[in-house]
Order: sequence, then C-alpha cells, then structure tokens
Amino acid sequence: QVTLKESGPALVKPTQTLTLTCTFSGFSLTTSGMRVTWIRQPPGKALEWLARIDWDDDKFYSTSLKTRLTISKDTSKNQVVLTMTNMDPVDTATYYCARTPTERGMDVWGQGTTVTVSS
Amino acid sequence: DIQMTQSPSSLSASVGDRVTMTCRASQSISRYLNWYQQKPGKAPKLLIYAASSLQSGVPSRFSGSGSGTDFTLTISSLQPEDFAIYYCQQSYSTVLTFGGGTKVEIK
Repeated sequence: QVTLKESGPALVKPTQTLTLTCTFSGFSLTTSGMRVTWIRQPPGKALEWLARIDWDDDKFYSTSLKTRLTISKDTSKNQVVLTMTNMDPVDTATYYCARTPTERGMDVWGQGTTVTVSS
Repeated sequence: DIQMTQSPSSLSASVGDRVTMTCRASQSISRYLNWYQQKPGKAPKLLIYAASSLQSGVPSRFSGSGSGTDFTLTISSLQPEDFAIYYCQQSYSTVLTFGGGTKVEIK
C-alpha cells in the first residue's frame, strides 16, 4: 500500500523559513521513473504546483517561487523535504506531497498539512 | 509557463445528467494532461492521466479526450458522489501547471 504523509509546523512567522517533510511508504525513490511532487492550495483557491524531485535527483521548481524553494530527498528514510524561505501571509495554504510516476500523473496524495503564516 | 484555462468555472447539474467540462492549454501539450477530483477538505484524487487513460479504481462513467491544446472531461451519468471540483494539470513541461478548476454543483 502506497502512503504519503506531510509534516511540519502549523504556524510560522513572516520572514521565517518553512521546512516540510513528506514521509512515504510502499514505493522507492530509487526506482527509475519515480518522482515526488509538492503542491499547495491556499484557502478557497486552486492547486499550485511547487516542486518535483526525481529518482535520479533531478529537481524542478515553480517559476514564480524557485528563488525561495529547495527540494531534497533522503532515500534511506523514504523522505522528501521542501524548504521555503522568507514566508509571507500569502503563503498560508495546505501543502500536499504526491507520488508522481513518470507519465502517470500524481497518483497518490498525502492528506496535506495546513500552514498559517502570521506574526 | 504553460497556462491552463478551465471552463466553465462552475456548473449546476442533476443526478443522471451528462456533464462535460473543458481545459485549454496556452500551447500544445500533446496528450500530457491529467484530471483530478477534489472534494471539500480532502486531497485531490487522480481520475484520468495522459488525456484519456482511466486511473485504476475510477468509475467508467469518467472519460477524458483531446490532444494538443483542447481537452475534455466527461461524466456520462452524474452521481451524488461526483459533486466536487475538477482540476486539469499539464505535465508536458518540466514546470507543471494546474487549471483554475471547475466546480460541479447540485441543481
């Protein structure tokens, strides 16, 4: 059974750095073609793609956020970490991670973690 | 970035209706188009990948079509559990993008 679960702080202050962890099971990020993606959704708004990391350690970022984002993986722990610097209240959202096998869409999602940015 | 535009932004339909919604890309994306369903308070669920391939476990009343810039998601006979928001997403570019969503409401 494939599962993913996001974890991180529920509240961060403006200008702080957010660190989110996606812990997964049931698949390996060392398998050719496997990827993990981060997505967020502000309250009442549409989904926004943030970043993706591939089995071969290729990394891809949202054009508008790439200067603030870093994605990494720890295959021994089955974890993908996303950091976002200089947090702002507009970054308040539910953050999701999703398994993303090549050409198969984001087929399994975590439950999401809600992050509020407020002083 | 490739822009994805969904229409309509919302629609009202009755149980049993045939429902169609569209997604248009700002440039050709071949068939690199996925559809998701999201219910309130829940994570999105993959319905269709590669424009027309039905994800395992998804009811056959859902179907997708299109290629290039224009895509369609059809629900052949709307069921009570289908009232939700539907998003398209392109995977042609290494910078992925979602559409703004189509909300399907009860008439």
